[in-house]
Amino acid sequence: QVQLQESGPGLVKPSQTLSLTCSVSGGSISSADYYWSWIRQSPGKGLEWIGYIYYSGGTYYNPSLKSRAVLSIDLSMSHFSLKLTSVTAADTAVYYCARLKASGGLSLVANFDFWGQGTLVSVSS
Amino acid sequence: YVLTQLPSLSVSPGQTARITCSGHALSKQYAYWYRQKPGQAPVLVISKDTERPSGIPERLSGSSAGTIVTLTISGVQAEDEGDYYCQSTDSSGTLVVFGGGTKLTVL
Repeated sequence: QVQLQESGPGLVKPSQTLSLTCSVSGGSISSADYYWSWIRQSPGKGLEWIGYIYYSGGTYYNPSLKSRAVLSIDLSMSHFSLKLTSVTAADTAVYYCARLKASGGLSLVANFDFWGQGTLVSVSS
Repeated sequence: YVLTQLPSLSVSPGQTARITCSGHALSKQYAYWYRQKPGQAPVLVISKDTERPSGIPERLSGSSAGTIVTLTISGVQAEDEGDYYCQSTDSSGTLVVFGGGTKLTVL
C-alpha cells in the first residue's frame, strides 16, 4: 500500500517561502505510471491543484499561482517537494501531497489515487 | 478553465441525490469524483466518468452527457454525507482542475 507523508513548518511569515516535503513509501517514486502532486485546501474552501512532477523532473503548475510554486523530486530519497514563494495570508491552507495516475488517453493525467493526510500551514507574522 | 458545481444539496435518507459538474472540456476529458469528510483527505468514488473503484457501494454511479457529468447516489444513507468534488483536466489534458465542491447533507 502506497503511503505519502507531508512534512514541513506549520507556520510561515508573510513574504517568506513555504517549503514542504512529501515522503513516499510502499511504491516506487520512479514509476513511469504516476506523477506526484500537491493540492491545497484553504479553511472552509475547496480543493486547489498546485502542480505535479514526473520522475524525470518534468513539471506542470496551476497558472493561478503566477509562477510562485516550484516542485522538485529526489528519487534517491523517495520524496518530492514544494516551494511556494512570497506567501501571504491567502496561502494559509491544508497542503496535501498525492499520487496522480498517468493516463494513456487524450489526457496526460487521470485521477489522484493515494493522498497524504495533509498538513496545515499558516501564514502569519 | 473552470468546473462548476452547485455549493450544496440536501436530501432525505432513501432519496436519490444527483450532483452535477459542468465544464466545456468534459465532452473530451474524463471526470473523476471524490468524497471528502471533515478532517480527512478526499477519496475517489467514481473514475473515468462512470467507473466505480473497488469498495465503493453500487448505489453510487456516474454518468456523462456532453459537457455535464453527474454523480448519482441512490438510496442515500447518512454515511454519504460529505463534500463531493469533481476533477478533470483542461482541454490540453495537462492542467488539473477541481470543481468547487458540493456539500451533501442528509436530512
